Amino acid sequence: GENVEQHPSTLSVQEGDSAVIKCTYSDSASNYFPWYKQELGKRPQLIIDIRSNVGEKKDQRIAVTLNKTAKHFSLHITETQPEDSAVYFCAASPFTGGGNKLTFGTGTQLKVEL
Amino acid sequence: DARVTQTPRHKVTEMGQEVTMRCQPILGHNTVFWYRQTMMQGLELLAYFRNRAPLDDSGMPKDRFSAEMPDATLATLKIQPSEPRDSAVYFCASAMGTEQETQYFGPGTRLLVL
Repeated sequence: GENVEQHPSTLSVQEGDSAVIKCTYSDSASNYFPWYKQELGKRPQLIIDIRSNVGEKKDQRIAVTLNKTAKHFSLHITETQPEDSAVYFCAASPFTGGGNKLTFGTGTQLKVEL
Repeated sequence: DARVTQTPRHKVTEMGQEVTMRCQPILGHNTVFWYRQTMMQGLELLAYFRNRAPLDDSGMPKDRFSAEMPDATLATLKIQPSEPRDSAVYFCASAMGTEQETQYFGPGTRLLVL
């Protein structure tokens, strides 16, 4: 089955700096890579996703890059703000024809300090 | 703003008792997922359904866990008998059911088994 590794487990940045979280996956059949943000005590919420037919996707201060050859993808947050503080999860899913069976990474606790 | 709902939000029970968690997917979504989140194991997929039929329950301990969809608006996850190691947050998520489609998470049921 799929195995997703995520680094770092914790990340502390100063407000305004950039944050980068990296994930690797094992199953070359995976072709959908979402990122979820989870605030303390809340539900995970999708913030951005990327499909294997593109290498990069941006949405305001958030961007995701994908390298299928190396089997890794990364989340980039620019101009970080205190409200970006949360746990971020990457995930990967193959094209199964039966729905998205997501395998999640172990999460990155991001802390944006004033 | 359609959302996945889950009940109860919190549950404290004693070892050996039966626990039933309920999920109402977003109207029109035909794929439902059950996840368990713990500090040690992160987010794990327990089971998922499409059009009320179970597609994969390989992540679920079969001896004590069972998942069903009595109808399109209700999914249930039952633990009988419960054990302290079942203490976790249980999330339900739903999706439209096409491949590579976003999963929307419910608020979770926080379960504590004493």
